[in-house]
Amino acid sequence: GAVVSQHPSRVICKSGTSVKIECRSLDFQATTMFWYRQFPKKSLMLMATSNEGSKATYEQGVEKDKFLINHASLTLSTLTVTSAHPEDSSFYICSARDGTTGRENQPQHFGDGTRLSIL
Amino acid sequence: AQSVAQPEDQVNVAEGNPLTVKCTYSVSGNPYLFWYVQYPNRGLQFLLKYITGDNLVKGSYGFEAEFNKSQTSFHLKKPSALVSDSALYFCAVRDKGTDKLIFGTGTRLQVFP
Repeated sequence: GAVVSQHPSRVICKSGTSVKIECRSLDFQATTMFWYRQFPKKSLMLMATSNEGSKATYEQGVEKDKFLINHASLTLSTLTVTSAHPEDSSFYICSARDGTTGRENQPQHFGDGTRLSIL
Repeated sequence: AQSVAQPEDQVNVAEGNPLTVKCTYSVSGNPYLFWYVQYPNRGLQFLLKYITGDNLVKGSYGFEAEFNKSQTSFHLKKPSALVSDSALYFCAVRDKGTDKLIFGTGTRLQVFP
């Protein structure tokens, strides 16, 4: 079945550091990937839609200069949290759907998430 | 605007008993509905979906869901719960224009031995 790999699974770093999270679709091509943030015991908050070969679309209230998204290929999207601070600590999850023509009804598949802790 | 509601924060059920996790939706047109499960410190795993066709949808791990258009509901069910089913369950609807998933607030299922 479709697999989305997210790396790293956990990051602990000092305030001011920039952190890059990778999201890969392993056995399908994804023209669109999604980045979410999840707070403890809460639902997922969509941060942005990552579009292959073009700029990401950010949700209202999400700082695009803070959360840089790059989707340079059909199988890889990256989220970089720039100059991270303790309030950026959270669980970040990506998802992707097979964009092949004829597979429009396929579900989104999720990575295993990245636990980011900023000290 | 499209939305889904999960009215229960938590559902408790004894192992072996049937379980139901509720979801209602509000969309224009025909909905694309999904159920996902999340285990601690993990991403979401796809359980099942309703796009069109039979109202009773069967999914992974013995779960099923019934699409009810008149009640705008898509409740998740399982005939016999397992302790290992204990997790966080999310109902979602897909925005067909943007492909975004709109999630409910989640329901924590606790199955007791």
